[in-house]
Amino acid sequence: GAGVSQSPSNKVTEKGKDVELRCDPISGHTALYWYRQSLGQGLEFLIYFQGNSAPDKSGLPSDRFSAERTGGSVSTLTIQRTQQEDSAVYLCASSLESANTGELFFGEGSRLTVL
Amino acid sequence: SQQGEEDPQALSIQEGENATMNCSYKTSINNLQWYRQNSGRGLVHLILIRSNEREKHSGRLRVTLDTSKKSSSLLITASRAADTASYFCATDGYDYKLSFGAGTTVTVRA
Repeated sequence: GAGVSQSPSNKVTEKGKDVELRCDPISGHTALYWYRQSLGQGLEFLIYFQGNSAPDKSGLPSDRFSAERTGGSVSTLTIQRTQQEDSAVYLCASSLESANTGELFFGEGSRLTVL
Repeated sequence: SQQGEEDPQALSIQEGENATMNCSYKTSINNLQWYRQNSGRGLVHLILIRSNEREKHSGRLRVTLDTSKKSSSLLITASRAADTASYFCATDGYDYKLSFGAGTTVTVRA
């Protein structure tokens, strides 16, 4: 597609349920990033992919969070046993190489609400 | 952790006026970028300035970088209602990720 696509755009779930968020980056972009943004806050780095590998997962808040990327394209962020503090907008971004060399292109985000 | 810190947190100006916001950071950087966010959703890249550059222009935007003070400023000239948004600086500390500040919320009054 022309831009970074994220789905779902909104997700309301009950505490304890698992959720899966999807990101489809711009075609040809090798770098993919996940960030989290709580209400009125800045962006919190979660994980970075270069191709299919994730050199640094240290930004993931807990072991309930995991992410994968297959075929160097689509990525999914999975949150298991969701908690209320997981409520936030989850933003995906892709880049042609890495943030060292140029801009990130962001999707519109997935707004997660945990009741 | 957040590397960049924007100042002020919020700014309200009249249409036609200039808006200036500042960003300070802690460690050495490779480049610094500014992004705009409308309605709390996706961010849009505005401008990138590299560590060996001091000033850059793009349309009504002017960005300065002072690496000795570890600070940058974004100036929006002749503001319009459409400039109402949150503005974030992001720094790349010679690694693969951008670290974002908490942002400056700009409101342009008609």
